[in-house]
Amino acid sequence: GAVVSQHPSWVICKSGTSVKIECRSLDFQATTMFWYRQFPKQSLMLMATSNEGSKATYEQGVEKDKFLINHASLTLSTLTVTSAHPEDSSFYICSASPVSGGSTYEQYFGPGTRLTVT
Amino acid sequence: DAKTTQPPSMDCAEGRAANLPCNHSTISGNEYVYWYRQIHSQGPQYIIHGLKNNETNEMASLIITEDRKSSTLILPHATLRDTAVYYCIVPSGSARQLTFGSGTQLTVLP
Repeated sequence: GAVVSQHPSWVICKSGTSVKIECRSLDFQATTMFWYRQFPKQSLMLMATSNEGSKATYEQGVEKDKFLINHASLTLSTLTVTSAHPEDSSFYICSASPVSGGSTYEQYFGPGTRLTVT
Repeated sequence: DAKTTQPPSMDCAEGRAANLPCNHSTISGNEYVYWYRQIHSQGPQYIIHGLKNNETNEMASLIITEDRKSSTLILPHATLRDTAVYYCIVPSGSARQLTFGSGTQLTVLP
């Protein structure tokens, strides 16, 4: 149980275009989902926290107009990287906290999406 | 989140126990210790968490010292597939967020 999927697993896009990444909790409902970014040889950095039906909360330094997050249902959150640039190339990972069951800080992570902007 | 300190890297022989230490001397009385791991190019995986009693599940055991200032994650019979970065986290706050430090790179050797 507690499986989180991400789609796509990898994507290559041209500079200036937008890319949408989907994060789904497959066998549980999640009121809260998180988006992280990880550069090579670095740790995960939290980008934003999204709660179903409300606006996402972005971490300091993360541009909310560039990284659009939508959490329209208890099983789906999307991250759209708008006007992508090469410096946005990274490994994007989502996670989800179950509505019920599990402990407060128990999160289930997706497999990640490798974004390369050319 | 309370600050945690972990060694940057450790090696372990396959089949032996891997003992990964973590210092969290500023932990407060109601804060839990969580362990996650990240295998290369994958999303992190929850392992275990505890408050003050030792905990065990199908993946690992967590030993927390009586003063709660440090803990040890034990993988009883490490396999090559346990090679990963292991993160010790002491989260706090109402937003249910996790802050990942640099963790310990565990390499299980054949």
